[in-house]
Amino acid sequence: DIVMTQSPDSLAVSLGERATLSCKSSQTILYSSSKKNYLSWYQQKLGQPPKLLIYWASTRESGVPDRFSGSGSGTDFTLTISSLQAEDVAVYYCHQYYSVPWTFGQGTKVEIK
Amino acid sequence: EVQLVQSGAEVKKPGESLKISCKGFGYNFTNYWIGWVRQKSGKGLEWMGIIYPGDSHSRYSPSFEGQVTISADKSINTAYLQWSSLKASDTAIYYCARYTYNNGYYKDDYWGQGTLVTVSS
Repeated sequence: DIVMTQSPDSLAVSLGERATLSCKSSQTILYSSSKKNYLSWYQQKLGQPPKLLIYWASTRESGVPDRFSGSGSGTDFTLTISSLQAEDVAVYYCHQYYSVPWTFGQGTKVEIK
Repeated sequence: EVQLVQSGAEVKKPGESLKISCKGFGYNFTNYWIGWVRQKSGKGLEWMGIIYPGDSHSRYSPSFEGQVTISADKSINTAYLQWSSLKASDTAIYYCARYTYNNGYYKDDYWGQGTLVTVSS
């Protein structure tokens, strides 16, 4: 199985400041023929199901604010929230769909400082 | 309006069987995959498996294959997750989600509200 490791486990950021979340996969999730990274990011607020934010490592889902951006390739990925808003308090998960079983990172909890 | 509505919370004893459901509204149920994700209390997400209600083709995570059964009844737009003998370690929230397959990617767009399953003696 591909192991997804996120860091940090939790992050406290002031309103309006940048939040940077990291995700590393235990093997490459870049599919060489398509040159696509099989990675997505989810946001899960308390008591709610997960919500897709980013797929193909950097493609924002429709309706997701542009303060959310994804980057990285191969085994190292980043989710950046450029200007943290109160409504962004949540747990964020990275997710690989390169191979079955699809796996998730353990999550990064983002809070307001 | 597209909705996935899951069955209500369940409290069961170890060894009992259980079938929870996920009913689709507002779209052609047979044209989209339905997947199941487990979330234990305060923990992360685990992908369990996925099914295409159009032909009931399914794929399982090896961690869950043999432990659960994923099925679908397209006549009533409902997918199921079933256990024959529950364990305390099955206590969790179970989510269903709708997926579209495109260019090698099963992309989710709608999720159910989750079903809490508690297994305790």
